[in-house]
Amino acid sequence: GESVGLHLPTLSVQEGDNSIINCAYSNSASDYFIWYKQESGKGPQFIIDIRSNMDKRQGQRVTVLLNKTVKHLSLQIAATQPGDSAVYFCAVLMNRDDKIIFGKGTRLHILP
Amino acid sequence: DADVTQTPRNRITKTGKRIMLECSQTKGHDRMYWYRQDPGLGLRLIYYSFDVKDINKGEISDGYSVSRQAQAKFSLSLESAIPNQTALYFCATSDFPGELFFGEGSRLTVL
Repeated sequence: GESVGLHLPTLSVQEGDNSIINCAYSNSASDYFIWYKQESGKGPQFIIDIRSNMDKRQGQRVTVLLNKTVKHLSLQIAATQPGDSAVYFCAVLMNRDDKIIFGKGTRLHILP
Repeated sequence: DADVTQTPRNRITKTGKRIMLECSQTKGHDRMYWYRQDPGLGLRLIYYSFDVKDINKGEISDGYSVSRQAQAKFSLSLESAIPNQTALYFCATSDFPGELFFGEGSRLTVL
């Protein structure tokens, strides 16, 4: 069946360094991918999205890369700050039935 | 006021009880979703609705039912709660193909 997986449940990064969070998906027919950030005690919040006709999209301090050949998605956060500490989820829109399926999440720890 | 409001925010109940979690939104979106979050398992889709007459099962619909009373309201019911339904439940809305807007979550404990 369809699945969305994340490579690491936890990632620790020094403040000021760049963070890279990875995600893999199984459905090659998916054409819309989203990253969410969930802070403690809150619902997930949209960070950035990308469509399958693109391989890179940039936002403010964040970049999403999409490699459709290997079905891999990554989120890069530049100059990581304490406020970036959260759980990050990738999500994939399944074309067949328009469901949005989430990965298991990566908890990002920022080291001082 | 929040765009997506969930009630109750916290509920403790006993095995076998009927529980309803309610969600209302002011975004004007047609699409609404219920997700369940468990530690280490991410968010799993329970049910989703594209309009008041269109309701679809998600990844884990067994033991749950939903009602879309209006465009702005989508409720989740557990007819006979069991302990493994203890979790954090999130309602979300979207305007296809846009981003999901989540509520603050409803924490349910089934004893």
